[in-house]
Amino acid sequence: DAGITQSPRHKVTETGTPVTLRCHQTENHRYMYWYRQDPGHGLRLIHYSYGVKDTDKGEVSDGYSVSRSKTEDFLLTLESATSSQTSVYFCAISAGTGPFQETQYFGPGTRLLVL
Amino acid sequence: AQSVTQLDSHVSVSEGTPVLLRCNYSSSYSPSLFWYVQHPNKGLQLLLKYTSAATLVKGINGFEAEFKKSETSFHLTKPSAHMSDAAEYFCVVSDRNFNKFYFGSGTKLNVKP
Repeated sequence: DAGITQSPRHKVTETGTPVTLRCHQTENHRYMYWYRQDPGHGLRLIHYSYGVKDTDKGEVSDGYSVSRSKTEDFLLTLESATSSQTSVYFCAISAGTGPFQETQYFGPGTRLLVL
Repeated sequence: AQSVTQLDSHVSVSEGTPVLLRCNYSSSYSPSLFWYVQHPNKGLQLLLKYTSAATLVKGINGFEAEFKKSETSFHLTKPSAHMSDAAEYFCVVSDRNFNKFYFGSGTKLNVKP
């Protein structure tokens, strides 16, 4: 257990509204990630962070923004939710330092339904 | 660039028979490789990882995987399936330069009584 929590765990929202998902970690890991999981696609990277205020885009970043003002929190915002953003969202951290030591651990997920 | 191909989207076995879930990877250098398991409506749990030590890696719940560089494969095996093994399994390769991870599309394992 890498001490990762996500909130909310479930959310229903309407098209066009902004939504923010929160990921919180307790172990001061440098790297944090947001993924979405959809059937047949595995997990796809939305954004990731390599430190406070340091973020970069993943493969499916359109329509999403992130912020990391503290080591322990990584926020994902859907600026104007669309039905195509209905998904399960997972936060992850990368633990371990040095060559070949990186390993990801995941939060419990957030189920988002956009109506 | 790194990528992963899981060769079967669904695998069905009978309880007590061997399990083989296939994964091929592409990497521009010697990679780290992982298998994760996801039970229905649950999060992802690390099964095992390869990080350039022994090529045969043992994980939790009796699973193991063998890194074969010549075949660019990292197949997951278990000698005897249990009903509790029914889940979705993901093969993952990492890009150590950027601490990024690339997922296969997943293999759903069904275990028949």
